Amino acid sequence: NAGVTQTPKFRILKIGQSMTLQCTQDMNHNYMYWYRQDPGMGLKLIYYSVGAGITDKGEVPNGYNVSRSTTEDFPLRLELAAPSQTSVYFCASTDRGREQFFGPGTRLTVL
Amino acid sequence: RKEVEQDPGPFNVPEGATVAFNCTYSNSASQSFFWYRQDCRKEPKLLMSVYSSGNEDGRFTAQLNRASQYISLLIRDSKLSDSATYLCVVNIGGGYQKVTFGTGTKLQVIP
Repeated sequence: NAGVTQTPKFRILKIGQSMTLQCTQDMNHNYMYWYRQDPGMGLKLIYYSVGAGITDKGEVPNGYNVSRSTTEDFPLRLELAAPSQTSVYFCASTDRGREQFFGPGTRLTVL
Repeated sequence: RKEVEQDPGPFNVPEGATVAFNCTYSNSASQSFFWYRQDCRKEPKLLMSVYSSGNEDGRFTAQLNRASQYISLLIRDSKLSDSATYLCVVNIGGGYQKVTFGTGTKLQVIP
């Protein structure tokens, strides 16, 4: 049982480039989330999904897109990267009423 | 008013000390409560769930006061390894299991 896995662990992008952050969970959870955490700050919700085919915006969705074609996978797409998107990105999943399980994070720098 | 509020600290305590953190939440419909621990540059990990009757796990005790809308975490006999940021987490439930994270309280245990 690997839990929640994320790739890549680190990435440096140039302004205007695009990339996809991968997230996979093997716990058969319906609910999945993407957060970003800036240095010294709390977690901010970017997007969430309540099941395959269903996604919705969180607090800070601008500049990002998501898809959920399977229960296991919830990739986050960055289009036209900007320095303001430099952050640590965490993916999480949960069952109803339970705690969230987090992946190890992707550290992204946009230069 | 923030949905979940915590004192950011830092709390600097000597080894062996007892330290308590409080957290207040604004939504009276909140359904489940958790304390997470986050080490520097790592993902948040569940420390313990918080139950209405209060619960204990070794040196850690969590309490919930629904009437006053706060939860607490007590750490007894602090160890150097307890140094971390402690996040208060509230699950409001609903269609997408909305979870709100506090910004965290930083604990530094000093030799």
